Amino acid sequence: NAGVTQTPKFQVLKTGQSMTLQCAQDMNHEYMSWYRQDPGMGLRLIHYSVGAGITDQGEVPNGYNVSRSTTEDFPLRLLSAAPSQTSVYFCASMQQGAIGTEAFFGQGTRLTVV
Amino acid sequence: GNSVTQMEGPVTLSEEAFLTINCTYTATGYPSLFWYVQYPGEGLQLLLKATKADDKGSNKGFEATYRKETTSFHLEKGSVQVSDSAVYFCALRGDRGSTLGRLYFGRGTQLTVWP
Repeated sequence: NAGVTQTPKFQVLKTGQSMTLQCAQDMNHEYMSWYRQDPGMGLRLIHYSVGAGITDQGEVPNGYNVSRSTTEDFPLRLLSAAPSQTSVYFCASMQQGAIGTEAFFGQGTRLTVV
Repeated sequence: GNSVTQMEGPVTLSEEAFLTINCTYTATGYPSLFWYVQYPGEGLQLLLKATKADDKGSNKGFEATYRKETTSFHLEKGSVQVSDSAVYFCALRGDRGSTLGRLYFGRGTQLTVWP
């Protein structure tokens, strides 16, 4: 049972390049989300999804796109990378409707934009 | 709206010292509360949780009690070890609507334990 799998683990981009961070879960969780972690800022929500075909914005959505075509996958797209997007990105999944169940996290993607 | 306020770090302790990391929250309804731990270079792991008032979550010697009257969920450990050095995050999950689909995090507290 792999849980939540993120790829790649590390990535260096040049300003203006685009890329997709992959996230897959095998627990049949309805809820998936993307966070970014910056020093002293904790984890901030970028986008989240409550099911296939349904996505919504979090606190810091600008410069990122998401889509959810299947329950298992929730990719995060950077449209035109900027140095301000240098961060560690975490994907998480949670079970639907079960109050009190926790989120499961991937190992993270460390992104550097130069 | 929902939010979590967590004690600023870093916290530096000697081995076997007592640890408290304060966490307070703002939320409507009856949220669930969590402590996550992040070891260097790794993702977040659930440390403990509580789902209703007066519940006590515990794991690996860590404890936290859900106090609705003070809207708090402070993390404690009676005797820390070097291996407890990590970043600790307090988090909240709402009980309704879109707040069910995400977590609200505090800023994290870096704990360093010296031998």
